[in-house]
Parts: sequence; C-alpha cells; structure tokens
Amino acid sequence: DGGITQSPKYLFRKEGQNVTLSCEQNLNHDAMYWYRQDPGQGLRLIYYSQIVNDFQKGDIAEGYSVSREKKESFPLTVTSAQKNPTAFYLCASSSTREQPQHFGDGTRLSIL
Amino acid sequence: RKEVEQDPGPFNVPEGATVAFNCTYSNSASQSFFWYRQDCRKEPKLLMSVYSSGNEDGRFTAQLNRASQYISLLIRDSKLSDSATYLCVVKGTGFQKLVFGTGTRLLVSP
Repeated sequence: DGGITQSPKYLFRKEGQNVTLSCEQNLNHDAMYWYRQDPGQGLRLIYYSQIVNDFQKGDIAEGYSVSREKKESFPLTVTSAQKNPTAFYLCASSSTREQPQHFGDGTRLSIL
Repeated sequence: RKEVEQDPGPFNVPEGATVAFNCTYSNSASQSFFWYRQDCRKEPKLLMSVYSSGNEDGRFTAQLNRASQYISLLIRDSKLSDSATYLCVVKGTGFQKLVFGTGTRLLVSP
C-alpha cells in the first residue's frame, strides 16, 4: 500500500542527546515536510523539501536538522540545542506544492 | 492577529444534527484552502479541499467567501464517528507553507 511511514511511534530523549525521526514515503511525491504539534496549538512547520538534495527552514527550524538524500526519505534530527522537544512530530508529503499534503501517523517525542 | 482562526469549541451536538464551523484567514493572497480531520492523538487526514464555487462530498459541504476571508464546513446528519477535531488549513501562492488553524472540536452524542 502507498503511504508515509514514520518511525518510531514513541521516542524518549535523554538530556544532551540527538535523536533522529524517520520518514519514508512510497507515493513518489517530490515535496516532503516536517511539522511539530503541541497541545492546543496548530501544526508548525519545521523544515520542508521540494526536491532531493534541497531543503528549506520553516518557522521553527532552530534545534532541528534534516537531510534529503533520497526522494523517499526525509529524516529529522532533534538536536540537543532544541530545549523543548516534547511534542508530536508529523511528516507529510505532496506530489506538487499545489496539492494537499498527506501525513504519516506521527512520532511522539518525550524527554526522559 | 492569527493567520488562521477557528473557534476551538467543543461543539456538542446530538446524532443527526447539522453543524457548521467557520474559519477566518488574514492573508488575502491565499489561494488554496482545505479542511482536515484529526482524531485524538492521530495524524490529520484530508477531509476535503475547498473550491471557490463551494463543494460537497456526501454529508460535508465546504464554502469559501473570499470577500470576507472565511471558509466554512457544514456537516449534515452528524454521526458519532464524526467526533474529531476539524482543522482549517490555508495556503498562499507559490511555495508558501500551509498554515493550520488550531482546530474546532466536535463531539457527537447519541
């Protein structure tokens, strides 16, 4: 089945640790996105990529990094510089920038 | 002013009721509009795009009013399974990010 797969579903980070969230899609979509959702807030864009080997910062990129070496994959690293990483992280993709985005089922990150 | 504003609710309605949500947006250059549905602790799922002429999908009707800069979602004959948070999403021209509202929570009771 075509879709977006995020892993792991739950992740715990220790102080000073970097963690990487995986996002893979087999929809042949060019554009991929990372969002963060906090309780009572709308989704906020962290990073996006319109094409392989290219990515752009969103509204809240500080403390995060990404790579886009393959069309199918857009991993997000939450670095130790992100002081408040506890949130629901959602990866999305779209076939073009005009099309609606479709989401993976998310990763919940908490601090130990 | 927030870019996209929604009444957080909750809207409590009985089964079979008709319920409507509005959403206002501040960027008059916005070109694309969507409604997403999000269940508790799940990812948002696209419910429908909103077109200038308005559009309907079964029990759901979406309308766009560019002059007043709002979009609406009407749900007829509410089902228990409609209970969820409905997110209003607005996109500008070119590659501009999607802007998500904080959502309107709907609770349908028996």
